[in-house]
Amino acid sequence: DTGVSQDPRHKITKRGQNVTFRCDPISEHNRLYWYRQTLGQGPEFLTYFQNEAQLEKSRLLSDRFSAERPKGSFSTLEIQRTEQGDSAMYLCASSPGLAGGHEQYFGPGTRLTVT
Amino acid sequence: AQSVTQPDIHITVSEGASLELRCNYSYGATPYLFWYVQSPGQGLQLLLKYFSGDTLVQGIKGFEAEFKRSQSSFNLRKPSVHWSDAAEYFCAVGPREYGNKLVFGAGTILRVKS
Repeated sequence: DTGVSQDPRHKITKRGQNVTFRCDPISEHNRLYWYRQTLGQGPEFLTYFQNEAQLEKSRLLSDRFSAERPKGSFSTLEIQRTEQGDSAMYLCASSPGLAGGHEQYFGPGTRLTVT
Repeated sequence: AQSVTQPDIHITVSEGASLELRCNYSYGATPYLFWYVQSPGQGLQLLLKYFSGDTLVQGIKGFEAEFKRSQSSFNLRKPSVHWSDAAEYFCAVGPREYGNKLVFGAGTILRVKS
């Protein structure tokens, strides 16, 4: 069990560019979550997947944001036409199946800076 | 609306002293409750969780938390703080339905004086 991994760890981009982040959950975890954390705040929920199905999206997830989990394993989060307000830490988490419990295990995050 | 309040933004304690971090929640029903710790630039590590049963739960690194339904609280405690405990601590709640989103408090930054 290598834990949740995220790539890249840091991303600096210019306003208007597109960025894509990747998350690899703990193997065999059915649920995968994306959160966003800004300075001085706790993480805020963005979206989650049960296997490959996206089950819920927060109103924070504007049309510029899209997430996929095509084969029910890794997930990608894409932000189009980035804005300075998108600067944040993007956290991915996964949780086991019904028999495994409800806790979520977090990755190290991807810190996005939009200049 | 679901919310979590951590009233203390910063707390400073001396090494070896006891610690209590406060957490209050507003939720429609008794949720699942969690404490996470985050070191600078890192993700969140689960310290402990409450689902049901004994209201005093033990976690990793010598931490414990007590669930008080009447006060809608889930305070985190440690009898003797170590310098390595300096970090940011987040309380979170989640619904009893399997695997749904967590709602986090704003966090408490713990500083440890030597």
